[in-house]
Amino acid sequence: QQKVQQSPESLSVPEGGMASLNCTSSDRNFQYFWWYRQHSGEGPKALMSIFSDGDKKEGRFTAHLNKASLHVSLHIRDSQPSDSALYFCAASEPGNTRKLIFGLGTTLQVQP
Amino acid sequence: NSKVIQTPRYLVKGQGQKAKMRCIPEKGHPVVFWYQQNKNNEFKFLINFQNQEVLQQIDMTEKRFSAECPSNSPCSLEIQSSEAGDSALYLCASRGTGGPLYAEQFFGPGTRLTVL
Repeated sequence: QQKVQQSPESLSVPEGGMASLNCTSSDRNFQYFWWYRQHSGEGPKALMSIFSDGDKKEGRFTAHLNKASLHVSLHIRDSQPSDSALYFCAASEPGNTRKLIFGLGTTLQVQP
Repeated sequence: NSKVIQTPRYLVKGQGQKAKMRCIPEKGHPVVFWYQQNKNNEFKFLINFQNQEVLQQIDMTEKRFSAECPSNSPCSLEIQSSEAGDSALYLCASRGTGGPLYAEQFFGPGTRLTVL
């Protein structure tokens, strides 16, 4: 079973609209989460991290973490066609390695 | 922008052939990770290094996989005898050791391996 689950698998929003992506962890050891974005032909690039309960805002992007339910979300305000990409939620595994455990991603399409 | 360099970008091998890919981590980043991303977007952690030492590795898929990060040379990941199931995007990432406890990992563009 995936330790990090994302929904929806794909999402289409109009330009200027709001995109909402969801992520749930099944492992309570995971306390630190990242959102990564991957455009076609590129490697993933970090958008933001979150480890405190509540909201964290960076420009048009807002992440929300609920530690009790291990639910993380990402909201993209005023979506642009350049936001069309694969979005991954990743949890940092605690310990010396701190490797990332990724979900299967959400494909976002922003329609001009 | 990430300065993790991966070569080659594309690699095509026949079954049973060796496949070798290289990674130059971002300057000043002593921790290097290798991940495999398959066509279903599943990420699989393979191995990571701090400087030249292995921190953690998976069972290296029946010992066909080997990796190293020698000093003053690129890191490398090699598959001794490629199988069709090894076809994937191989991503190298690096991070520093200072700063926040869970520092950002910076990814390269990946090496796309196709095993025919």
